[in-house]
Amino acid sequence: GDSVTQMEGPVTLSEEAFLTINCTYTATGYPSLFWYVQYPGEGLQLLLKATKADDKGSNKGFEATYRKETTSFHLEKGSVQVSDSAVYFCALKRVNRDDKIIFGKGTRLHILP
Amino acid sequence: DSGVTQTPKHLITATGQRVTLRCSPRSGDLSVYWYQQSLDQGLQFLIQYYNGEERAKGNILERFSAQQFPDLHSELNLSSLELGDSALYFCASSGAGDEQFFGPGTRLTVL
Repeated sequence: GDSVTQMEGPVTLSEEAFLTINCTYTATGYPSLFWYVQYPGEGLQLLLKATKADDKGSNKGFEATYRKETTSFHLEKGSVQVSDSAVYFCALKRVNRDDKIIFGKGTRLHILP
Repeated sequence: DSGVTQTPKHLITATGQRVTLRCSPRSGDLSVYWYQQSLDQGLQFLIQYYNGEERAKGNILERFSAQQFPDLHSELNLSSLELGDSALYFCASSGAGDEQFFGPGTRLTVL
């Protein structure tokens, strides 16, 4: 079935470092892809999304490009901040089927000052 | 603030008991989703309702049930609780777009 695989954490970086969190997916058809972020003690918030191949989603300095040929949607940020410490979830939504979103297991990110 | 509200924020109960979690979606959203988040299973989709009707079912146990009322709020009922049901339960809602908006969650502890 459809699934999302993302790199296991925790990922620990120093402030201003470059961030990459890998995400690959398995799905039939052309799903929409998302990155959600969960800050401590809060619910999930949509960080960015892409709905078709080669689309780039971006928000708050984060970017991810929908790569159909490699079935990937890696999250990147050029210079992370302490406030970026959170859990990041890659997810897909199957189009023209049910509305279920399938999440990866999440990657915990720690940014050290 | 996503506009999705969930009550209660915390719930502590004993094994064998029954609890009800409540969710109010964003104004105008017809779809409500329930998720369970636990350390070992990650974030698991339980069930979706659309305008009062069940639309999709995920890994929801038979001991769990949900419904969506005419005012679009939803309730998730968990019965015969077991220790392993301790988790964060999230509700999300969506409208016409792809995005789901998540509530702050209810933390359930079963002792």
